[in-house]
Amino acid sequence: DTGVSQDPRHKITKRGQNVTFRCDPISEHNRLYWYRQTLGQGPEFLTYFQNEAQLEKSRLLSDRFSAERPKGSFSTLEIQRTEQGDSAMYLCASSAYGAGGTGELFFGEGSRLTVL
Amino acid sequence: QKEVEQDPGPLSVPEGAIVSLNCTYSNSAFQYFMWYRQYSRKGPELLMYTYSSGNKEDGRFTAQVDKSSKYISLFIRDSQPSDSATYLCAVSRQLTFGSGTQLTVLP
Repeated sequence: DTGVSQDPRHKITKRGQNVTFRCDPISEHNRLYWYRQTLGQGPEFLTYFQNEAQLEKSRLLSDRFSAERPKGSFSTLEIQRTEQGDSAMYLCASSAYGAGGTGELFFGEGSRLTVL
Repeated sequence: QKEVEQDPGPLSVPEGAIVSLNCTYSNSAFQYFMWYRQYSRKGPELLMYTYSSGNKEDGRFTAQVDKSSKYISLFIRDSQPSDSATYLCAVSRQLTFGSGTQLTVLP
């Protein structure tokens, strides 16, 4: 399968713990996006990278959240000191932006976080 | 005011019906308009993509953008049970999504 893969698919944690999600984009996609989706709502943009550079962060991304894409390939999203309000599906997407790329975003199946 | 408002669901129709899904948006600068389909416990997948105003057809699906009224629509003809999913409209390249409409097509 050469689609966007996310790991873990489901994480249950206790309030106050740190969690990290990993996203492996479609190879050669230069852009990588993180979104958060809660039940009954559409995905909300969190941040995106072009190669290893983080180009935009939403105000939703509090200082407890940090995302990295160190070598321009996979990305991690870490949430420190989790709160119950962090419970959501965290979606990763990638796209080929620029020459020859359509810019279409391809989503992974998401990592579901449950904070007890 | 949310940037994108989507007709709330859920919507239930019989097989073969024509389905109309609608969204409004607030920022007239938006140029990119998309419809995504999301099955339960899966990530969204792109259905239709429109740049600026007009209609776009792909098989049983038609996307319509009216920039003068900031209104976007998705029509599904001859709906099938396999079309049962949540449909999300989205605008701009960074994707601002509507809240989604859950569609059930009954056999």
